[in-house]
Amino acid sequence: KNQVEQSPQSLIILEGKNCTLQCNYTVSPFSNLRWYKQDTGRGPVSLTIMTFSENTKSNGRYTATLDADTKQSSLHITASQLSDSASYICVVREDMEYGNKLVFGAGTILRVKS
Amino acid sequence: GAGVSQTPSNKVTEKGKYVELRCDPISGHTALYWYRQSLGQGPEFLIYFQGTGAADDSGLPNDRFFAVRPEGSVSTLKIQRTERGDSAVYLCASSRGTKYTGELFFGEGSRLTVL
Repeated sequence: KNQVEQSPQSLIILEGKNCTLQCNYTVSPFSNLRWYKQDTGRGPVSLTIMTFSENTKSNGRYTATLDADTKQSSLHITASQLSDSASYICVVREDMEYGNKLVFGAGTILRVKS
Repeated sequence: GAGVSQTPSNKVTEKGKYVELRCDPISGHTALYWYRQSLGQGPEFLIYFQGTGAADDSGLPNDRFFAVRPEGSVSTLKIQRTERGDSAVYLCASSRGTKYTGELFFGEGSRLTVL
């Protein structure tokens, strides 16, 4: 069964500190992996997309990595800000011609405190 | 429109009632998705439209749930004989194109509470 597992489930860090969120998946065949940020009461917003050939991609203070061999991805947040407090969801797309095959993780809830 | 619009933002209903949730996708986006999200969980797939047709409705939990997109734009998710377990945030998303490589743009969601 295709699954996406995220860890930790929740995390509290001090403003200015770095953190790393993990995503392990068993989705196959693999198409791409996205990290979404979901603020409380809002819809998820895409942060970055990783395809099979990409190992690292940055979007401002967010850096995503992908190891397609071990089926692991991470999202590293540098110099965290209070506004980074949100749920971060890892979403893996199965490579299929037809049919929706997006597999969502349960998310990591990040709280940044001052 | 500028983004995906969902109405109502909040809906409180009694067990057994009928509910309709509306989604207005980004103009020009042919793909439209409905998801259900419970507290502390990731979105759970319900149904996917490509144009006017439901390309994949495998996520609908039972026959009380139904969705339409008659003109390939606005979609309505319909829930009959609501149950307390239907309480959740219902998210709509849209994307360009026919393939599954595009980014999903989500609406703010409709929070449904069944008393």
